[in-house]
Amino acid sequence: KNEVEQSPQNLTAQEGEFITINCSYSVGISALHWLQQHPGGGIVSLFMLSSGKKKHGRLIATINIQEKHSSLHITASHPRDSAVYICAVRDNYGQNFVFGPGTRLSVLP
Amino acid sequence: EAGVAQSPRYKIIEKRQSVAFWCNPISGHATLYWYQQILGQGPKLLIQFQNNGVVDDSQLPKDRFSAERLKGVDSTLKIQPAKLEDSAVYLCASSPIRTNTGELFFGEGSRLTVL
Repeated sequence: KNEVEQSPQNLTAQEGEFITINCSYSVGISALHWLQQHPGGGIVSLFMLSSGKKKHGRLIATINIQEKHSSLHITASHPRDSAVYICAVRDNYGQNFVFGPGTRLSVLP
Repeated sequence: EAGVAQSPRYKIIEKRQSVAFWCNPISGHATLYWYQQILGQGPKLLIQFQNNGVVDDSQLPKDRFSAERLKGVDSTLKIQPAKLEDSAVYLCASSPIRTNTGELFFGEGSRLTVL
């Protein structure tokens, strides 16, 4: 069993739809990161969470520490949101990151 | 603030040849990571430096991969000799300080194709 799992693996949505990507993990963590990777591009950090909820523009990230689960929501999705979204957790010692496999999102106009 | 710089962006080599990648982290970032990302997978840690010391290189294939960060700033990752399965994007990332809440900043990556 992978330490960090994401669902769905692939997601296609129509422009304007509300999108949810899920992440579950099995290890103790000090923080959880949501990352965005565009084709051919580097990785950009969207959120770093250790509890509760954060919002940035149309993006919302939540985490439930007890259930070891996090969600990334995109409201009013747009084609420019098309990318791979990666969940990564930082272990309790704060040194190592474990990455999920990513969710490939395509938003169609 | 300048981001994490990596070069080259793309490299195509034949198997058994050697290749080197360079990374310059964000100024002042003590921790530097090299990750290998194979198409369709999440990044896999190859090596982690804290200043110029190695913190974790347990997943680095040491028979062919080597990395150094001599002055605690920029770093190089070398593969010699390359194999077909080394085709991947090599990502460098840095983090400001050794805490459990530091953010992670990635470079654009170096895409390696081994023919």
